[in-house]
Parts: sequence; structure tokens; C-alpha cells
Amino acid sequence: ETGVTQTPRHLVMGMTNKKSLKCEQHLGHNAMYWYKQSAKKPLELMFVYNFKEQTENNSVPSRFSPECPNSSHLFLHLHTLQPEDSALYLCASSHQVRLAGGPVGANVLTFGAGSRLTVL
Amino acid sequence: QQQVKQSPQSLIVQKGGISIINCAYENTAFDYFPWYQQFPGKGPALLIAIRPDVSEKKEGRFTISFNKSAKQFSLHIMDSQPGDSATYFCPSGSARQLTFGSGTQLTVLP
Repeated sequence: ETGVTQTPRHLVMGMTNKKSLKCEQHLGHNAMYWYKQSAKKPLELMFVYNFKEQTENNSVPSRFSPECPNSSHLFLHLHTLQPEDSALYLCASSHQVRLAGGPVGANVLTFGAGSRLTVL
Repeated sequence: QQQVKQSPQSLIVQKGGISIINCAYENTAFDYFPWYQQFPGKGPALLIAIRPDVSEKKEGRFTISFNKSAKQFSLHIMDSQPGDSATYFCPSGSARQLTFGSGTQLTVLP
């Protein structure tokens, strides 16, 4: 265990289903991230939350909806997904320091083991 | 936006050999220069990181070297083992939006 726990580890869903991925960290970090990793493709940053506020949304389709109720938990709500959304979804966390120019911090992320999503 | 160029894209090494992976960067915006290791089906894990005011850091068989004048840092894996076969990443981008390229796929032959 890395300190970042993702559930479920595997998920199979139909295109009309609604499901959620959950991420939990107990490292005292204040930034959390969702990444998507498809086969033979680079990791794609999807969303970033700093101090519970969403600071980045990298043109992710609205069928992916993040939620960060507190600095320890992050969700990714899924609805009406497409087969091409099948991938490994990785959650990560890090420590950010809030400065006047915006959050900054070491580029050291702790990743979870991922949720393997298959959309039929 | 911090940009890094990682090379090579893939590397095949015999067991016991030395694996060397390089990253060239544009500026020293980061507090640390890390290497991540990812095994198939798992999330990336921090392997080793170096501060820009340090030229070399060694942890077991893994050594990270930092060349500030050349704007380059590298990962050396001594006595490479089949269990080291994985994808290695040096991330790019800002601390607010860290991105990973395709990495270097290392295969260590038995």
C-alpha cells in the first residue's frame, strides 16, 4: 500500500451505467489528481484539486465528473461512458504550499494502484 | 511550462548490466527532480528524487545524477535485474499540472 487507496480495483460497466471511482489518502496531502492511462499511451492528467478546489480540468468530457469533498477523498463519477474510456484510472496526491502566486510544491506524487475500468 | 525530453524510449539490457536513462529539462522550477517506476497494471511509484543543489544521490543499485550546467539528470541502474523491467518516467510540466510522457520501457534479459 502506498498510502493512496483506490476502489474498486476493477470495474466493468455498460455504456448506460452510472458508477463512481473512489480515492482516499491519509498522507496529510492537500492536492489530489486523477490521471488516465490507456494502453500504450502516456499518462493523461484529467483533474487537479488543490486545497479541495479544482484547479485544472484538461478538456475532459463531461461524462467524467470529479468530486473532492475534503482533502483526503476524491471521487470520479462516471456516466454514459464510451468503450474508448476503458483504461486504468490513477489517483495521486501530493503536498502543495499555498503562495500568493498560486499553489506550488514538489513534483512528488504518491499514486494509488489504480482502478481498471472496462466499458462494454 | 517545464518541458523535459526523456531518452531512450526503450532499453534492453542484459542481467548484471548498467541501465542509463536520461532527461533533459528547460528550467529548475522544481524542488525535486524525480524518477518514477511503473510495473504493468500498477500505478507509478516514486523511485528516487534529487534536489537541484545536489549532484548525485545513490540508493542501493539506483543512482540519480544531476548536471545543472547541462540541464540534464539521469538514472543509472547498476547490476540490472529482470525485476527492474518496468517503465521509468521523469515528469514534466509545472507542480500544479505534472505530466508524464511515454517514459522509457526497460527490459532486463535474464
